[in-house]
Amino acid sequence: KAGVTQTPRYLIKTRGQQVTLSCSPISGHRSVSWYQQTPGQGLQFLFEYFSETQRNKGNFPGRFSGRQFSNSRSEMNVSTLELGDSALYLCASSPGTDNEQFFGPGTRLTVL
Amino acid sequence: KQEVTQIPAALSVPEGENLVLNCSFTDSAIYNLQWFRQDPGKGLTSLLLIQSSQREQTSGRLNASLDKSSGRSTLYIAASQPGDSATYLCAVYRGTSYGKLTFGQGTILTVHP
Repeated sequence: KAGVTQTPRYLIKTRGQQVTLSCSPISGHRSVSWYQQTPGQGLQFLFEYFSETQRNKGNFPGRFSGRQFSNSRSEMNVSTLELGDSALYLCASSPGTDNEQFFGPGTRLTVL
Repeated sequence: KQEVTQIPAALSVPEGENLVLNCSFTDSAIYNLQWFRQDPGKGLTSLLLIQSSQREQTSGRLNASLDKSSGRSTLYIAASQPGDSATYLCAVYRGTSYGKLTFGQGTILTVHP
């Protein structure tokens, strides 16, 4: 079975731009979660989707949004980028609720 | 609010040593606990998942224990190898209503040849 894939792997943007990151979960997995990892804050939860519905959201500003499609693929969008948004964005999938989570390789976003 | 702490923050050992990484959490009402490994600049690799009803899980040279009542988990690595060098993260999951893993800050492990 293929693992969780994330595209693109690397991104460089400038302040004020917007960006869309994509995550394809393991086949058959219906839950997708997104996390932001920075050296200072560690891993922080962004949001979780299950069957196209956002079930939980972390403590991030409204500039961070996401969605999930009927095939369970998910995208997250960050608008009006700030320097502090530079981070590794990780996506995780699981078969359903309360299951082991499997992470993708991440997207490294650099905001200049 | 759930808080997860990992001790030590960094550990350097010679090859062949057995070692223990510690994880503590403040709210014992967890559904499960996962241990992950992260290599520099890479994603997380799941090592072991312990359900709240279990006391331990084993995979190869790794053994993880869970004491929910005291809010502690340990990851035991036997006969360490240079390839074990990585950051080890523990994360607790509180269930669907919370829908997220809460991570510790990690233990950076270096195993010298």
